[in-house]
Amino acid sequence: DSGVTQTPKHLITATGQRVTLRCSPRSGDLSVYWYQQSLDQGLQFLIQYYNGEERAKGNILERFSAQQFPDLHSELNLSSLELGDSALYFCASSVGAGGHTGELFFGEGSRLTVL
Amino acid sequence: QQQVKQSPQSLIVQKGGISIINCAYENTAFDYFPWYQQFPGKGPALLIAIRPDVSEKKEGRFTISFNKSAKQFSLHIMDSQPGDSATYFCAASSYGQNFVFGPGTRLSVLP
Repeated sequence: DSGVTQTPKHLITATGQRVTLRCSPRSGDLSVYWYQQSLDQGLQFLIQYYNGEERAKGNILERFSAQQFPDLHSELNLSSLELGDSALYFCASSVGAGGHTGELFFGEGSRLTVL
Repeated sequence: QQQVKQSPQSLIVQKGGISIINCAYENTAFDYFPWYQQFPGKGPALLIAIRPDVSEKKEGRFTISFNKSAKQFSLHIMDSQPGDSATYFCAASSYGQNFVFGPGTRLSVLP
């Protein structure tokens, strides 16, 4: 158990809809990262928050947004969903702000299926 | 320049054999190279990591070999076991920067 909690584990929705994925980082970790993993694809970095502030942005679509709350949990909002958004979405956390300032601890992911 | 290349995409090894996965990078600012292991249905987990001040790091059956001049590093799994069957990701980072992950290698160890 990595200590990172993601909900929901599975989500099935229709095109055009909006969903919210939630992540609780490990106790003491200040950074939260969101990654997308599509079938047979690697880990695509979406966005990172550090202590409530956006720290880095990767290949995140404009239809997607995220935030980190004062209690350090984070939410990833996906809107106007398309079939291609079907993927595993991972949250990871680390103590520091990035890179080798801390090991990444991954949650078990939220599997999104868009029909 | 931010990419990390990884090969092979998939690998099948007999039980007891050696599994070798290779990665290459371009960014000379990278100075931390972890490997993550991901089992089906689970999130990736840190397996082993190396910094460029050493050429090799061994933890049990897992060894990272690092060639700074060639900008390459590899993961060797000795005496591979069916329980090692997973997807392996190499990654690289520099101070204060996010990890850049390779595309992954799916390892299957046959009993």
